[in-house]
Amino acid sequence: SQTIHQWPATLVQPVGSPLSLECTVEGTSNPNLYWYRQAAGRGLQLLFYSVGIGQISSEVPQNLSASRPQDRQFILSSKKLLLSDSGFYLCAWSVRLAGANNEQFFGPGTRLTVL
Amino acid sequence: KQEVTQIPAALSVPEGENLVLNCSFTDSAIYNLQWFRQDPGKGLTSLLLIQSSQREQTSGRLNASLDKSSGRSTLYIAASQPGDSATYLCAVRPLPNSGYALNFGKGTSLLVTP
Repeated sequence: SQTIHQWPATLVQPVGSPLSLECTVEGTSNPNLYWYRQAAGRGLQLLFYSVGIGQISSEVPQNLSASRPQDRQFILSSKKLLLSDSGFYLCAWSVRLAGANNEQFFGPGTRLTVL
Repeated sequence: KQEVTQIPAALSVPEGENLVLNCSFTDSAIYNLQWFRQDPGKGLTSLLLIQSSQREQTSGRLNASLDKSSGRSTLYIAASQPGDSATYLCAVRPLPNSGYALNFGKGTSLLVTP
């Protein structure tokens, strides 16, 4: 069966510090990978998605970047955090097959607080 | 831009009641619709996915319906239990099928009291 891991589970960082959140998927190959953010009082917003190693698409302009160095690894980064980067970050995956229903499966999330 | 609305925002019911959660979306050009459950401080658990060509899906005590033309979906929970307490999120995947973004509602927070 497939599992998706995220770490760390929680993180408190000062404004201006760097960020690196990691997501890995087990039990599948060539997945689509996604980073979402859930801010207080707002719905989930897609930040980045990836259809393959080194292929990253950004949905919204922001202070963050993403990378996919390996097939089942997705990293969310920032060089300098802003207060507005606080939120709950969720990684997700879906099967990458033509005609697949692309049901998305989510990880446990990382709670980021920027002070 | 696709907008997804969930009503009510919060709901409290006694154990054993059947209940309906509502989701509406502004653009009927969707690829599919997915219902999720989120426990406090946790990630999302996929409950049901309905393709645009389908009208309903069932899993155990859950039944989700889709009326694409009117932009509505409902999640029916039968014989509710305290363990069903969570936030329920609805998300649509719009057409054209590019970008892979799911548009989420803000959720319905459900409390089932013993």
